[in-house]
Amino acid sequence: SQQGEEDPQALSIQEGENATMNCSYKTSINNLQWYRQNSGRGLVHLILIRSNEREKHSGRLRVTLDTSKKSSSLLITASRAADTASYFCATDSSNTGKLIFGQGTTLQVKP
Amino acid sequence: KAGVTQTPRYLIKTRGQQVTLSCSPISGHRSVSWYQQTPGQGLQFLFEYFSETQRNKGNFPGRFSGRQFSNSRSEMNVSTLELGDSALYLCASSLVQGEGEKLFFGSGTQLSVL
Repeated sequence: SQQGEEDPQALSIQEGENATMNCSYKTSINNLQWYRQNSGRGLVHLILIRSNEREKHSGRLRVTLDTSKKSSSLLITASRAADTASYFCATDSSNTGKLIFGQGTTLQVKP
Repeated sequence: KAGVTQTPRYLIKTRGQQVTLSCSPISGHRSVSWYQQTPGQGLQFLFEYFSETQRNKGNFPGRFSGRQFSNSRSEMNVSTLELGDSALYLCASSLVQGEGEKLFFGSGTQLSVL
């Protein structure tokens, strides 16, 4: 079963708006990562936040982590049409290559 | 630096056949992980190899197997293919273990079982 559950499953916004995606997980983690996937392609790493961190920024991305609620959010500010993709959270409990992925949020940014 | 390379990109097989997928990690990466992606189940972890040893295994039947060579290249094999094995198979490599490293994914092999 999936460790992470993402919300919403699909999101459609206008270019320039902000997009927020949420991820919940079930067990304790070492870190949480967010990935982006364009249709039919491999995943691209966006950002990693460790369990002792609460917030992290990377360009237009802002990730928060609340370990007490076992949840994380990804905020994309000033979205662009090129941000159209599926976004996945992934949790790492073992510091190995075994990441457990959520079902993903499909984001559509309309020009 | 070349990225993760997966071959072939597309594959069509029939039920009962077997298939071998190949993955070449980024140079210097010693860990290779395999994932199966389907619309219904999402991304499911298959197994992870580090220095030619399988270190983690997901909940897949024994028909799914893999190996890693001394140059870190990896192959996965699926025997006695079933319709439900149709999926995008993704390989990912990472550099250093033990610190929660990020994964670098290949473009995947799209397997269709008829």
